[in-house]
Amino acid sequence: AQTVTQSQPEMSVQEAETVTLSCTYDTSESDYYLFWYKQPPSRQMILVIRQEAYKQQNATENRFSVNFQKAAKSFSLKISDSQLGDAAMYFCANNNDMRFGAGTRLTVKP
Amino acid sequence: DGGITQSPKYLFRKEGQNVTLSCEQNLNHDAMYWYRQDPGQGLRLIYYSQIVNDFQKGDIAEGYSVSREKKESFPLTVTSAQKNPTAFYLCASRAIAGNGELFFGEGSRLTVL
Repeated sequence: AQTVTQSQPEMSVQEAETVTLSCTYDTSESDYYLFWYKQPPSRQMILVIRQEAYKQQNATENRFSVNFQKAAKSFSLKISDSQLGDAAMYFCANNNDMRFGAGTRLTVKP
Repeated sequence: DGGITQSPKYLFRKEGQNVTLSCEQNLNHDAMYWYRQDPGQGLRLIYYSQIVNDFQKGDIAEGYSVSREKKESFPLTVTSAQKNPTAFYLCASRAIAGNGELFFGEGSRLTVL
């Protein structure tokens, strides 16, 4: 059952620019967590950022921030000042069933 | 250091053979998960377990089996019934309480010859 949808298979951004990756999800729970994970070429999964559903304030971790729209069940990731090391696959997930979206491959151009 | 250990990192198998992938965690997590990842694809859930001696099928359980005899261990057996077993397999665990962040192993690459 696909409960998380990432509609952008690939995205590209110029170094130092900003890019936004989209994610929508489906859940009947009122309290949950949402996550963005990064998978570089090493294939190690790395947590980028998490959002608690009951918190209205959008989570921020340095250059990474989210735009969480609970009513719309949308959870996008914004990467500011993109760096070459940001190039990776990015996956979103929710902790209700730990299923992941299909991923977005981000390319960073120098 | 606390973490998740998967072994082996690379495994080759002949068609018709069963193979078992190991996953061990020392994070004292209750829940453990197995995912399959094909090239350029996302993670698909195979099996998960939230407590010892209990586990549930994920979205692509056919041709796989698991056991959860100890809290620390959640091995995955890829049986000969799995029609296309060549893939990258990721094991993960998490605490059920709290934010439920998943911690991942480094993965196992299975190739069927």
